[in-house]
Amino acid sequence: AQSVTQLDSHVSVSEGTPVLLRCNYSSSYSPSLFWYVQHPNKGLQLLLKYTSAATLVKGINGFEAEFKKSETSFHLTKPSAHMSDAAEYFCVVSDQKMLTFGGGTRLMVKP
Amino acid sequence: GAGVSQSPSNKVTEKGKDVELRCDPISGHTALYWYRQSLGQGLEFLIYFQGNSAPDKSGLPSDRFSAERTGGSVSTLTIQRTQQEDSAVYLCASSNDRNYGYTFGSGTRLTVV
Repeated sequence: AQSVTQLDSHVSVSEGTPVLLRCNYSSSYSPSLFWYVQHPNKGLQLLLKYTSAATLVKGINGFEAEFKKSETSFHLTKPSAHMSDAAEYFCVVSDQKMLTFGGGTRLMVKP
Repeated sequence: GAGVSQSPSNKVTEKGKDVELRCDPISGHTALYWYRQSLGQGLEFLIYFQGNSAPDKSGLPSDRFSAERTGGSVSTLTIQRTQQEDSAVYLCASSNDRNYGYTFGSGTRLTVV
């Protein structure tokens, strides 16, 4: 069985400040991990993925995430938030068959 | 096509009617998933197809829900005798297992009135 916990349902930052969205997972396998972003009334867009290569993964729009097996974490970060980053973010774990989604974190960016 | 295509993008139906939602995956992707996203809820797994194997139907919420995938390509999700609680966005994703990337369609927003 696998599960994903996104520790914050809402995160609010000011434009230009760092972003941290937290994700912890559990899995019986060596999982693949993903972050997806969903803008209002839009589909899910892949930000980045970890598939047992480098533990620091760089994605689109300046986002990156670090896989820490000892902490079972896969937190998403960005050095400087932009207004266009305001969206819902989902951490996803895959055991190569099933995708399991976290509950989502809504990121708000204040001017 | 370049992405996963879902149709219709929006569907309003009367309670008790049947609906069919279509998903056209990326050509060559062997895995296809259906998920449901309800207002205020996370994404709920419904069904998974992998190649010619029997589908994993463990997420279907009731026997009113069924899905098929013809020729390993297009998939149709059917909801019979729709109920108001079926109102949600239904998302389809496809994957090429070799790189474990999953591409989602834009979804079908179903409203049961």
